[in-house]
Amino acid sequence: DGGITQSPKYLFRKEGQNVTLSCEQNLNHDAMYWYRQDPGQGLRLIYYSQIVNDFQKGDIAEGYSVSREKKESFPLTVTSAQKNPTAFYLCASRDLAGVGNEQFFGPGTRLTVL
Amino acid sequence: QKEVEQNSGPLSVPEGAIASLNCTYSDRGSQSFFWYRQYSGKSPELIMFIYSNGDKEDGRFTAQLNKASQYVSLLIRDSQPSDSATYLCAVKSDSGAGSYQLTFGKGTKLSVIP
Repeated sequence: DGGITQSPKYLFRKEGQNVTLSCEQNLNHDAMYWYRQDPGQGLRLIYYSQIVNDFQKGDIAEGYSVSREKKESFPLTVTSAQKNPTAFYLCASRDLAGVGNEQFFGPGTRLTVL
Repeated sequence: QKEVEQNSGPLSVPEGAIASLNCTYSDRGSQSFFWYRQYSGKSPELIMFIYSNGDKEDGRFTAQLNKASQYVSLLIRDSQPSDSATYLCAVKSDSGAGSYQLTFGKGTKLSVIP
C-alpha cells in the first residue's frame, strides 16, 4: 500500500531529552513537511523539504531539526531547546508534479513531555 | 503575517440539513484553497481544493470561492453523523523559488445531530 507512515504513534519524553520522530513515504513524492498541532489550534509549519539534502525553516523551527538524506524519509528531532514540545506532530508529503498541489498527511505522532 | 480565519464553532446541524463552513484569508495573492476534515485524534484528510472563483462540486460537498471578498466556504449537503469532525481551511501562498506554504485556519468543529 502506498502512503505515509509515522512512528511512534505515542512518545513520552523527559525534559531535557532529544527525541526523533520518524516519517517515511512510498508515494515517490518530492516534497515533505512537518507540522505541529496544539489543542484547538490549526497546523503550524516547522520545516519542509522539496529535494534530498535540502530543507527550509517554517514558521516555528526553533528547537527542532530535520534531515533529508533519502527521498522517502524526513525525520524530525525535537531538541531540549524546544520549550513546549507537547503536541501532535504531523508529517505530510506532496507530489511537485501533481495537478492539485495538495498535501497528504501521515497518521501523526503524539508527543508528551513528562 | 498571513492569516486564515474560521469560526471555531461548534456548529450543530440536524441530520439531512446543509452545513455551511466559512473561511476568510488575509493574503490577496493566495492562489489555491483546500478543505481538510479531521476526526478527533486523527490526521487531516483532504476533501476538496479550489482555484477558481465560483463553485466546485464533489458529491455532497461544494466549495465556493470569492477572491474579491477573500472568502472560501464549504457546503455539506444531506449532512450525516459521520460528517461530525473538525474542518480545516488551508490557503496556499508562494514562498518563492517554486515552493509554497499552506497556512491553516484553526478549524470549525461540526456536529451533526441524528
